[in-house]
Amino acid sequence: DVKVTQSSRYLVKRTGEKVFLECVQDMDHENMFWYRQDPGLGLRLIYFSYDVKMKEKGDIPEGYSVSREKKERFSLILESASTNQTSMYLCASSPPWGAEETQYFGPGTRLLVL
Amino acid sequence: TQLLEQSPQFLSIQEGENLTVYCNSSSVFSSLQWYRQEPGEGPVLLVTVVTGGEVKKLKRLTFQFGDARKDSSLHITAAQPGDTGLYLCAGEAQGGSEKLVFGKGTKLTVNP
Repeated sequence: DVKVTQSSRYLVKRTGEKVFLECVQDMDHENMFWYRQDPGLGLRLIYFSYDVKMKEKGDIPEGYSVSREKKERFSLILESASTNQTSMYLCASSPPWGAEETQYFGPGTRLLVL
Repeated sequence: TQLLEQSPQFLSIQEGENLTVYCNSSSVFSSLQWYRQEPGEGPVLLVTVVTGGEVKKLKRLTFQFGDARKDSSLHITAAQPGDTGLYLCAGEAQGGSEKLVFGKGTKLTVNP
């Protein structure tokens, strides 16, 4: 069974803290994604990785960075958390383009920045 | 930029009623997917439609892809409280892309 796990379901951080969100998939997928989901704004792509050490900016990369050192793990980093980064963060993975377009999502991390 | 507009944004109905959710765009999509997201969880794929005019059925859910591949609809017959959730449509950009364009979703509440 396909599985995407995220390191935390809920996280509370203070403004200015460095925050790491981890995502692990066990499907040997090439592609991994980080989204944030906010009421009325839907899912917005932050960063995308199509291979180890490869990354591509999404629609809203400002204030975020990512790391993909191993195929199964994709980390999202908030260098200096701000209150406007309070959100639900969703990680997803998918096989390479042309194989199957389905994205498999993790359960999400609800981040509150105080 | 490709956009997907979903309507309605919110829908609250009684158990047993029928409903239709729409996903529209001015752009052509190679395929379109529907996901359902329950509170506190990530979205889960329901169906992918690929061919213009295609109709797929999943129990009480019927999905249709427009002939021009610019729009899709989800029809639920005899809705149940278990159908409650956020329904998202997502399109694969034409020309091929690993990325999906997501609509903002329709939040459905089915009251017993």
